[in-house]
Amino acid sequence: GAVVSQHPSWVICKSGTSVKIECRSLDFQATTMFWYRQFPKQSLMLMATSNEGSKATYEQGVEKDKFLINHASLTLSTLTVTSAHPEDSSFYICSAISYTSGRVGTQYFGPGTRLTVL
Amino acid sequence: DQQVKQNSPSLSVQEGRISILNCDYTNSMFDYFLWYKKYPAEGPTFLISISSIKDKNEDGRFTVFLNKSAKHLSLHIVPSQPGDSAVYFCAASDAAGNKLTFGGGTRVLVKP
Repeated sequence: GAVVSQHPSWVICKSGTSVKIECRSLDFQATTMFWYRQFPKQSLMLMATSNEGSKATYEQGVEKDKFLINHASLTLSTLTVTSAHPEDSSFYICSAISYTSGRVGTQYFGPGTRLTVL
Repeated sequence: DQQVKQNSPSLSVQEGRISILNCDYTNSMFDYFLWYKKYPAEGPTFLISISSIKDKNEDGRFTVFLNKSAKHLSLHIVPSQPGDSAVYFCAASDAAGNKLTFGGGTRVLVKP
């Protein structure tokens, strides 16, 4: 149980274009999802908290107009990188909170999306 | 300001022996701690968690110890297996289900 998927797994785009990444909880409902990014040889950095039916909460330094988050249902959150630039190239990972199997609010992560902006 | 630190960037251990990974934190509001295992180009896999009301939690080969007064936790893997070779992250939050702050990770290499 507690499987999280992401699509696409990798994407290459031209500078200035927008890219949408989907995060789905496959076998549980998630009112809260999180978006992280990871640069090579670095740790995961939280970008924003995605709440179903309400606006996302962004971490300090993360541009909300550049990284648009929509959590339209209990199983789907999307991250859109608008007007992408090469410095946005990174590994983006989502997670979802599951309360199944008696575990108290554990975050389960998707497999990640590799974004390369040319 | 690193609130969660893993001071050992790497660890090498012989197969069958114990792997001990350490993690320190500074934020006294942290109340819930987790360990994740990560392979390159994949998302982290949840291993084990512990809340601050406990000082030990065990799940199979994995045991997490929490010393709240020292703001220190550790993950013991015994016996270590070659498939355990990965990067291990500790993470903390102020409550289960809230956002996580990750440490920098420790790369573990288990030698056959």
